[in-house]
Amino acid sequence: NAGVMQNPRHLVRRRGQEARLRCSPMKGHSHVYWYRQLPEEGLKFMVYLQKENIIDESGMPKERFSAEFPKEGPSILRIQQVVRGDSAAYFCASSPRTGPTQYWIFGPGTRLTVT
Amino acid sequence: KQEVTQIPAALSVPEGENLVLNCSFTDSAIYNLQWFRQDPGKGLTSLLLIQSSQREQTSGRLNASLDKSSGRSTLYIAASQPGDSATYLCAVSADDQAGTALIFGKGTTLSVSS
Repeated sequence: NAGVMQNPRHLVRRRGQEARLRCSPMKGHSHVYWYRQLPEEGLKFMVYLQKENIIDESGMPKERFSAEFPKEGPSILRIQQVVRGDSAAYFCASSPRTGPTQYWIFGPGTRLTVT
Repeated sequence: KQEVTQIPAALSVPEGENLVLNCSFTDSAIYNLQWFRQDPGKGLTSLLLIQSSQREQTSGRLNASLDKSSGRSTLYIAASQPGDSATYLCAVSADDQAGTALIFGKGTTLSVSS
Protein backbone atom coordinates (compact mmCIF):
# COMPACT_ATOMS: atom_id res chain seq x y z
CA ASN A 1 0.00 0.00 0.00
CA ALA A 2 1.85 3.06 -1.26
CA GLY A 3 -0.07 5.64 0.73
CA VAL A 4 -1.20 8.94 -0.71
CA MET A 5 0.87 9.92 -3.73
CA GLN A 6 1.38 13.44 -4.92
CA ASN A 7 3.27 14.62 -7.96
CA PRO A 8 5.22 16.49 -8.79
CA ARG A 9 6.94 17.01 -5.46
CA HIS A 10 8.37 20.33 -6.61
CA LEU A 11 6.99 22.55 -9.34
CA VAL A 12 8.37 25.82 -10.65
CA ARG A 13 6.19 28.03 -12.79
CA ARG A 14 6.58 31.52 -14.17
CA ARG A 15 3.87 34.07 -13.54
CA GLY A 16 0.96 33.52 -15.91
CA GLN A 17 1.58 29.82 -16.48
CA GLU A 18 -0.67 26.99 -15.38
CA ALA A 19 0.12 24.60 -12.55
CA ARG A 20 -1.35 21.09 -12.32
CA LEU A 21 -0.98 19.18 -9.08
CA ARG A 22 -1.92 15.52 -8.87
CA CYS A 23 -3.04 13.39 -5.95
CA SER A 24 -3.65 9.66 -5.90
CA PRO A 25 -5.51 8.65 -2.73
CA MET A 26 -4.87 5.50 -0.80
CA LYS A 27 -6.53 2.40 -2.20
CA GLY A 28 -10.07 2.18 -0.89
CA HIS A 29 -10.26 5.88 0.02
CA SER A 30 -13.00 7.77 -1.79
CA HIS A 31 -12.72 11.12 0.01
CA VAL A 32 -10.04 13.58 -1.07
CA TYR A 33 -9.14 16.89 0.54
CA TRP A 34 -6.75 19.57 -0.65
CA TYR A 35 -4.98 21.93 1.75
CA ARG A 36 -2.61 24.82 1.19
CA GLN A 37 0.21 25.85 3.49
CA LEU A 38 1.52 29.35 2.91
CA PRO A 39 4.88 30.36 4.38
CA GLU A 40 4.53 31.00 8.13
CA GLU A 41 0.86 30.00 7.99
CA GLY A 42 -1.05 26.94 9.05
CA LEU A 43 -2.66 24.50 6.68
CA LYS A 44 -5.90 25.82 5.23
CA PHE A 45 -8.66 23.67 3.80
CA MET A 46 -9.34 24.31 0.12
CA VAL A 47 -11.67 21.69 -1.33
CA TYR A 48 -13.27 18.34 -0.58
CA LEU A 49 -14.07 15.91 -3.40
CA GLN A 50 -15.47 12.49 -3.95
CA LYS A 51 -15.32 10.62 -7.23
CA GLU A 52 -16.71 12.89 -9.97
CA ASN A 53 -18.13 15.32 -7.41
CA ILE A 54 -16.96 18.48 -5.71
CA ILE A 55 -18.61 18.30 -2.30
CA ASP A 56 -17.31 21.53 -0.81
CA GLU A 57 -15.03 24.15 -2.33
CA SER A 58 -15.58 26.83 0.30
CA GLY A 59 -11.84 27.21 0.86
CA MET A 60 -10.91 27.67 -2.77
CA PRO A 61 -10.07 31.11 -4.15
CA LYS A 62 -12.90 32.24 -6.39
CA GLU A 63 -10.77 32.70 -9.49
CA ARG A 64 -8.04 30.70 -11.23
CA PHE A 65 -8.33 27.63 -8.99
CA SER A 66 -10.24 24.47 -9.85
CA ALA A 67 -10.23 20.85 -8.74
CA GLU A 68 -11.50 17.57 -10.05
CA PHE A 69 -11.55 13.93 -9.06
CA PRO A 70 -12.51 11.92 -12.14
CA LYS A 71 -13.91 8.42 -12.17
CA GLU A 72 -10.53 7.13 -13.28
CA GLY A 73 -7.21 8.61 -12.33
CA PRO A 74 -5.92 11.02 -9.73
CA SER A 75 -7.46 14.13 -8.28
CA ILE A 76 -6.10 17.27 -9.91
CA LEU A 77 -5.76 20.75 -8.48
CA ARG A 78 -5.36 23.25 -11.28
CA ILE A 79 -4.14 26.80 -10.90
CA GLN A 80 -4.40 29.01 -13.95
CA GLN A 81 -2.32 32.13 -14.54
CA VAL A 82 -0.25 31.63 -11.43
CA VAL A 83 0.95 34.61 -9.39
CA ARG A 84 3.75 34.85 -6.82
CA GLY A 85 1.21 34.63 -4.01
CA ASP A 86 0.33 31.11 -5.13
CA SER A 87 3.78 29.91 -4.01
CA ALA A 88 3.04 27.45 -1.23
CA ALA A 89 2.99 23.79 -0.29
CA TYR A 90 -0.16 22.00 -1.42
CA PHE A 91 -1.13 18.88 0.48
CA CYS A 92 -3.64 16.24 -0.39
CA ALA A 93 -5.26 13.96 2.17
CA SER A 94 -7.52 10.98 1.66
CA SER A 95 -10.00 9.26 3.94
CA PRO A 96 -12.11 6.12 3.70
CA ARG A 97 -15.14 7.79 5.33
CA THR A 98 -16.39 10.89 7.11
CA GLY A 99 -17.82 11.38 10.55
CA PRO A 100 -16.69 10.63 14.10
CA THR A 101 -14.44 7.72 13.16
CA GLN A 102 -12.78 9.45 10.28
CA TYR A 103 -9.02 9.51 9.86
CA TRP A 104 -6.83 11.10 7.23
CA ILE A 105 -3.69 10.09 5.45
CA PHE A 106 -1.66 12.95 4.02
CA GLY A 107 0.54 12.94 0.98
CA PRO A 108 4.08 14.40 0.93
CA GLY A 109 2.90 17.61 -0.69
CA THR A 110 3.75 19.57 -3.83
CA ARG A 111 5.85 22.65 -3.32
CA LEU A 112 4.93 25.25 -5.91
CA THR A 113 7.29 28.12 -6.60
CA VAL A 114 6.17 30.93 -8.86
CA THR A 115 8.99 33.03 -10.29
CA LYS B 1 -16.39 29.34 13.17
CA GLN B 2 -13.90 26.90 14.65
CA GLU B 3 -10.46 28.30 15.42
CA VAL B 4 -7.46 26.33 16.65
CA THR B 5 -4.62 27.97 18.57
CA GLN B 6 -1.31 26.44 19.56
CA ILE B 7 0.93 27.77 22.28
CA PRO B 8 3.85 28.29 22.33
CA ALA B 9 4.70 29.00 18.71
CA ALA B 10 8.27 27.84 19.32
CA LEU B 11 10.01 25.92 22.07
CA SER B 12 13.67 25.05 22.69
CA VAL B 13 14.65 22.46 25.27
CA PRO B 14 17.74 20.42 26.14
CA GLU B 15 17.71 16.72 25.44
CA GLY B 16 16.03 14.61 28.09
CA GLU B 17 13.44 17.13 29.21
CA ASN B 18 9.76 16.32 29.41
CA LEU B 19 7.61 18.89 27.66
CA VAL B 20 4.01 19.85 26.98
CA LEU B 21 2.55 21.38 23.84
CA ASN B 22 -0.81 23.08 24.08
CA CYS B 23 -3.74 23.29 21.69
CA SER B 24 -7.04 25.07 22.21
CA PHE B 25 -10.16 25.18 20.05
CA THR B 26 -13.15 27.50 20.23
CA ASP B 27 -16.02 25.11 19.46
CA SER B 28 -16.21 22.02 21.65
CA ALA B 29 -18.51 20.16 19.23
CA ILE B 30 -15.73 18.20 17.58
CA TYR B 31 -15.56 14.68 16.24
CA ASN B 32 -11.91 14.16 16.92
CA LEU B 33 -8.58 15.84 17.44
CA GLN B 34 -5.38 14.79 15.75
CA TRP B 35 -1.73 15.65 16.40
CA PHE B 36 0.68 15.65 13.48
CA ARG B 37 4.39 16.09 13.10
CA GLN B 38 5.88 17.99 10.18
CA ASP B 39 9.59 18.03 9.43
CA PRO B 40 10.99 20.97 7.41
CA GLY B 41 10.01 20.69 3.77
CA LYS B 42 8.17 17.43 4.38
CA GLY B 43 4.62 16.17 4.66
CA LEU B 44 2.53 15.43 7.73
CA THR B 45 2.95 12.37 9.88
CA SER B 46 0.02 11.47 12.09
CA LEU B 47 1.06 10.97 15.72
CA LEU B 48 -2.12 10.48 17.70
CA LEU B 49 -5.84 10.70 17.02
CA ILE B 50 -8.28 11.18 19.90
CA GLN B 51 -11.96 10.63 19.24
CA SER B 52 -14.41 12.88 21.06
CA SER B 53 -15.46 10.06 23.39
CA GLN B 54 -11.86 9.50 24.49
CA ARG B 55 -9.79 11.48 26.95
CA GLU B 56 -6.29 10.44 25.94
CA GLN B 57 -4.14 8.39 23.63
CA THR B 58 -0.60 7.14 24.10
CA SER B 59 2.08 6.05 21.70
CA GLY B 60 5.56 5.38 23.00
CA ARG B 61 6.90 8.58 24.58
CA LEU B 62 3.90 10.58 23.41
CA ASN B 63 0.68 11.13 25.31
CA ALA B 64 -2.16 13.32 24.08
CA SER B 65 -5.09 14.37 26.24
CA LEU B 66 -8.41 15.91 25.28
CA ASP B 67 -10.78 18.01 27.36
CA LYS B 68 -13.69 18.85 25.11
CA SER B 69 -15.57 20.92 27.66
CA SER B 70 -12.70 23.35 28.06
CA GLY B 71 -11.65 23.16 24.42
CA ARG B 72 -8.12 22.01 25.14
CA SER B 73 -5.65 19.31 24.25
CA THR B 74 -2.08 18.73 25.32
CA LEU B 75 0.67 16.70 23.75
CA TYR B 76 3.16 15.43 26.30
CA ILE B 77 6.57 14.30 25.09
CA ALA B 78 8.67 12.38 27.59
CA ALA B 79 12.45 12.31 27.63
CA SER B 80 12.83 14.49 24.54
CA GLN B 81 15.46 13.65 21.93
CA PRO B 82 17.08 15.72 19.14
CA GLY B 83 15.11 13.60 16.66
CA ASP B 84 11.91 15.06 18.11
CA SER B 85 12.81 18.43 16.61
CA ALA B 86 9.98 19.31 14.21
CA THR B 87 6.78 21.32 13.98
CA TYR B 88 3.82 19.79 15.80
CA LEU B 89 0.38 20.52 14.43
CA CYS B 90 -2.96 20.13 16.15
CA ALA B 91 -6.15 19.73 14.09
CA VAL B 92 -9.83 19.16 14.84
CA SER B 93 -12.79 18.00 12.79
CA ALA B 94 -16.52 18.41 13.27
CA ASP B 95 -19.69 17.77 11.32
CA ASP B 96 -20.20 21.44 10.54
CA GLN B 97 -17.03 21.50 8.50
CA ALA B 98 -16.75 20.49 4.88
CA GLY B 99 -16.84 16.71 4.88
CA THR B 100 -15.45 16.94 8.39
CA ALA B 101 -12.30 18.50 7.00
CA LEU B 102 -9.56 19.21 9.47
CA ILE B 103 -9.05 22.68 10.93
CA PHE B 104 -5.39 23.21 11.82
CA GLY B 105 -3.51 25.35 14.29
CA LYS B 106 -0.34 27.08 13.14
CA GLY B 107 1.87 24.67 15.02
CA THR B 108 4.58 24.64 17.66
CA THR B 109 8.13 24.40 16.36
CA LEU B 110 10.19 22.29 18.75
CA SER B 111 13.96 22.29 18.90
CA VAL B 112 15.70 19.74 21.12
CA SER B 113 19.42 20.32 21.62
CA SER B 114 21.90 17.58 22.44
